[in-house]
Amino acid sequence: NAGVTQTPKFQVLKTGQSMTLQCAQDMNHNSMYWYRQDPGMGLRLIYYSASEGTTDKGEVPNGYNVSRLNKREFSLRLESAAPSQTSVYFCASRSGGAGNQPQHFGDGTRLSIL
Amino acid sequence: TQLLEQSPQFLSIQEGENLTVYCNSSSVFSSLQWYRQEPGEGPVLLVTVVTGGEVKKLKRLTFQFGDARKDSSLHITAAQPGDTGLYLCAGVGDSSYKLIFGSGTRLLVRP
Repeated sequence: NAGVTQTPKFQVLKTGQSMTLQCAQDMNHNSMYWYRQDPGMGLRLIYYSASEGTTDKGEVPNGYNVSRLNKREFSLRLESAAPSQTSVYFCASRSGGAGNQPQHFGDGTRLSIL
Repeated sequence: TQLLEQSPQFLSIQEGENLTVYCNSSSVFSSLQWYRQEPGEGPVLLVTVVTGGEVKKLKRLTFQFGDARKDSSLHITAAQPGDTGLYLCAGVGDSSYKLIFGSGTRLLVRP
């Protein structure tokens, strides 16, 4: 059971470089999310997509863009990476509908910006 | 802005001890979820509490939702090394599509 798959698992970038983090889910979920996790700060929402064709900003969207490519895939792009974007990035999906349905997370992408 | 505060941030205890983790807010949440995260993995749902005053048990873990739906607690009885991990509470906020996460409690259970 794949669930939520994130690629790559690790990445090192230089300041100013760009890259796209990929996320795919095989659970036919409607909603997808991108978070970043920093020490002592829990999970902070970057962007989310409530359903295919829609995207919305979360708590910390600056410096990021997203694309909901289809129902399965939701990508996160860093156009010009900065050291402050060094973090662990998690993608999650949720079936949608009632608010108390759980989110299912991938195993994360560990990103270092030098 | 809805916020969730977790305490303590870090807990190191001996195997067999009991512990309680708290999740507090000044805001009302329609429901609250608890997740556990192990190193190198994403968070995994443990439980969802929906009704004010609700108590749910998962083996040695007991979860309670406050009567006013502003706070929650996680109590672990006779902790074991396998309980080691990061515990996160998350509230369903004003937008039912989003979760508001607490900052987490890192638990270490020493053999």
